[in-house]
Amino acid sequence: EVQLVESGGGLVQPGGSLRLSCVGSGFTFDDYAIHWVRHVPRKGLEWVSSITWNSDTKLYVDSVKGRFTVSRDNAKNSVSLQMTSLRGEDTALYYCVKDETGMSYYLGNWGQGTLVTVSS
Amino acid sequence: EIVMTQSPATLSFSPGERAILSCRASQSVSIYLAWYQQRPGQAPRLLFYEASNRATGTPGRFSGSGSGTDFTLTISSLEPEDSAVYYCQQRSTWPYTFGQGTKLEIK
Repeated sequence: EVQLVESGGGLVQPGGSLRLSCVGSGFTFDDYAIHWVRHVPRKGLEWVSSITWNSDTKLYVDSVKGRFTVSRDNAKNSVSLQMTSLRGEDTALYYCVKDETGMSYYLGNWGQGTLVTVSS
Repeated sequence: EIVMTQSPATLSFSPGERAILSCRASQSVSIYLAWYQQRPGQAPRLLFYEASNRATGTPGRFSGSGSGTDFTLTISSLEPEDSAVYYCQQRSTWPYTFGQGTKLEIK
């Protein structure tokens, strides 16, 4: 069974940092791109970042560019999202998602999410 | 950025009825469109990709269609478990974007 488990969310002050982690199991991890999508309360879904299987391509939505960094360690079946200079508008439920076919940029299997709250 | 607009915002039907959900893109996305279902308290689930390709586990009563800027998700005979929010998403041009969702209620 494919599973993705996120961790690292929490309450952080504006300007602070958090590191989200995602561990995958039940599939060949290094065959798949991994994506981060967030669900902003009352606003809907926003695609935040993507990383290809070999880390050659990393994508960021403009609102997080320069503040968030995505990385992966295929030996540990894990992907991380380092978030710095956090703002109130970063408050959201962050999902780690496995690509549907490898590098299709369709969102196949989702984790349950980790909640990030940016507030003083 | 491509803006995805879904209509209507909310739909309410009885079991057995047919529901048609719409998604419009602000510019052509060819067939690079997906539909997701999100039930209360759950993560979204992929229903269709490339507009009409059924993802594994998507029931046959669901169908997806469209190309260019106009897309449709049809549920032919509604069941109570179809109560959810449905999102469309384009992967034609980065940043990949979602519609705001259509909430489907089954009375």
